[in-house]
Amino acid sequence: GEDVEQSLFLSVREGDSSVINCTYTDSSSTYLYWYKQEPGAGLQLLTYIFSNMDMKQDQRLTVLLNKKDKHLSLRIADTQTGDSAIYFCAETSLSNYQLIWGAGTKLIIKP
Amino acid sequence: DVKVTQSSRYLVKRTGEKVFLECVQDMDHENMFWYRQDPGLGLRLIYFSYDVKMKEKGDIPEGYSVSREKKERFSLILESASTNQTSMYLCASSLSDRGTSGRYNEQFFGPGTRLTVL
Repeated sequence: GEDVEQSLFLSVREGDSSVINCTYTDSSSTYLYWYKQEPGAGLQLLTYIFSNMDMKQDQRLTVLLNKKDKHLSLRIADTQTGDSAIYFCAETSLSNYQLIWGAGTKLIIKP
Repeated sequence: DVKVTQSSRYLVKRTGEKVFLECVQDMDHENMFWYRQDPGLGLRLIYFSYDVKMKEKGDIPEGYSVSREKKERFSLILESASTNQTSMYLCASSLSDRGTSGRYNEQFFGPGTRLTVL
């Protein structure tokens, strides 16, 4: 079946940039999402990119998509303590009801 | 705003008890999902439903059942709770098409229920 992979942890210093990476296998993937889960809460959509785009910028967030390598990344500029969370990558295609999820990357901020 | 609510934030049950977890969404979404979340394993799909009275098994349906009698409500049932079902349970819903956002299959989540089985 289709698969999405992420590393489980990322540790960065406050004020630095964080880059969370994700790889996926579905070549028909159409929509790719980043969700954020704060401690003790459900998931919320953070940002997204369509497969016909290479990059999307939204304030401190930059999403890069390399379709050839099936690689997605989320860059958070000027990382703050409020960015501490688990970040999930997910992909879907038009032939599917579901999202295929990565295991989530826990972002740890060091002072 | 889409709102997905879950009946309890925290629940403690004993081994062998029957457990009901309820989820309600207020945006007329066709699809509803139940996941469990365990450290290092991410989200694992238990069951989903794409219409009233319809259900499909996800990746880990064993030990669980579901009920969808009304469009807005999706219930997860643990017939006989066991300690290995201690977990965070997340409910989500989505539209069957892009809706007005253009984001296909975007899922909206409830706050989660942390279930402990003793």
